[in-house]
Amino acid sequence: SQTIHQWPATLVQPVGSPLSLECTVEGTSNPNLYWYRQAAGRGLQLLFYSVGIGQISSEVPQNLSASRPQDRQFILSSKKLLLSDSGFYLCAWSVVTSNQPQHFGDGTRLSIL
Amino acid sequence: GQQVMQIPQYQHVQEGEDFTTYCNSSTTLSNIQWYKQRPGGHPVFLIQLVKSGEVKKQKRLTFQFGEAKKNSSLHITATQTTDVGTYFCAGGIYGQNFVFGPGTRLSVLP
Repeated sequence: SQTIHQWPATLVQPVGSPLSLECTVEGTSNPNLYWYRQAAGRGLQLLFYSVGIGQISSEVPQNLSASRPQDRQFILSSKKLLLSDSGFYLCAWSVVTSNQPQHFGDGTRLSIL
Repeated sequence: GQQVMQIPQYQHVQEGEDFTTYCNSSTTLSNIQWYKQRPGGHPVFLIQLVKSGEVKKQKRLTFQFGEAKKNSSLHITATQTTDVGTYFCAGGIYGQNFVFGPGTRLSVLP
């Protein structure tokens, strides 16, 4: 069966520090991968998605970047965090066929001080 | 761009009462998905509707896709405390990523 791992679960970082969140998927090949941000009590904002290694599409302009160095690895990064980067970050995967269900990781709660 | 709206934003019900959340899209959808996010958890896929006017049931949950494929609803009969959480719809258009609605947060009072 397929599983998705996301870490860390919680992170507290000072403003201006770098960020690296990692997500890996097991049990499937060539998945679509997604990074979402969820502000407290709000909906899901799609940040990045990837349909293959090295292929990253950005949905919104921001202070973050994403990379996919391996087929089942998706990384969310920032060189300098802003206060507005606080939130709940969720990684998700789906099979490559269009309009398939997305399966989410447990998320990372990021607090910027 | 495509927008997906949900109402109500919040709903407080007494245990045993029914609950309905509505999802509306600004554009015609190819399909729609529903997710549930428990407090402190991550969204979990519930169901996908594809056909115009489609109705699907999962125990006490009834999902409906509008005839024009621009709206959908989720109805829970006789809510239980385990139904607490936020329910999201996600509208899909072929060749594009799903757009999630803002969610409806359900509280169930015992």
